[in-house]
Amino acid sequence: SYELTQPPSVSVSPGQTASITCSGEKLGDIYVCWFQQKPGQSPVLVIYEDSKRPSGIPERFSGSSSGNTATLTISGTQVMDEADYYCQAWDTFGGGTKLTVL
Amino acid sequence: EVQLVESGGGLVKPGGSLRLSCAASGFTVSDASMSWVRQAPGKGLEWVGRIKSKTGGGTTYYAAPVKGRFTISRDGSKNTLYLQMNSLKTEDTAVYYCTTDQVVVPADFDYWGQGTLVTVSS
Repeated sequence: SYELTQPPSVSVSPGQTASITCSGEKLGDIYVCWFQQKPGQSPVLVIYEDSKRPSGIPERFSGSSSGNTATLTISGTQVMDEADYYCQAWDTFGGGTKLTVL
Repeated sequence: EVQLVESGGGLVKPGGSLRLSCAASGFTVSDASMSWVRQAPGKGLEWVGRIKSKTGGGTTYYAAPVKGRFTISRDGSKNTLYLQMNSLKTEDTAVYYCTTDQVVVPADFDYWGQGTLVTVSS
């Protein structure tokens, strides 16, 4: 079965850029999505088809993918962005990354 | 506006059964591919299964851990998706979410319900 690997945690200071990686075999050859999940809430799609943002998702969220790695980038990170982030390809989810903003 | 409301969760003993419902609005469930995704307490997301749209053949697919025990179905007249769970195990304890696939944007899991908690314990 396909596996996606994410770092368990990432920390960033408010206003700085956060990067969360997702690794998988030939990940750049397939579409990747990213989901944000805040405590006690359902996941929300923030990036689809590697780099597209659904309506209502702030422009500070962006995505890229190449080779074996996809990256979610949050520019000018805000305290409200503190959450768990999951990458997804096919029917597989990464293990999730806890983003701490402090 | 798409809305998904899950119900039917609760406490069940190992070996027991439970049926989850997902009432949809803002689109027609028969015309959509939909999935169930679960999240064990403190853990990550795990795809459970999918039912393709009517025009897509209505085929169902399941993850290995639930194949043969779980069944996904829908009732077009009630615009509702179901997850029938049999032979439940303690490791099935999780919040179960229903999701749309490619209804809002061209991506699977593009919209999620609020989830319903299933606890399997003696």
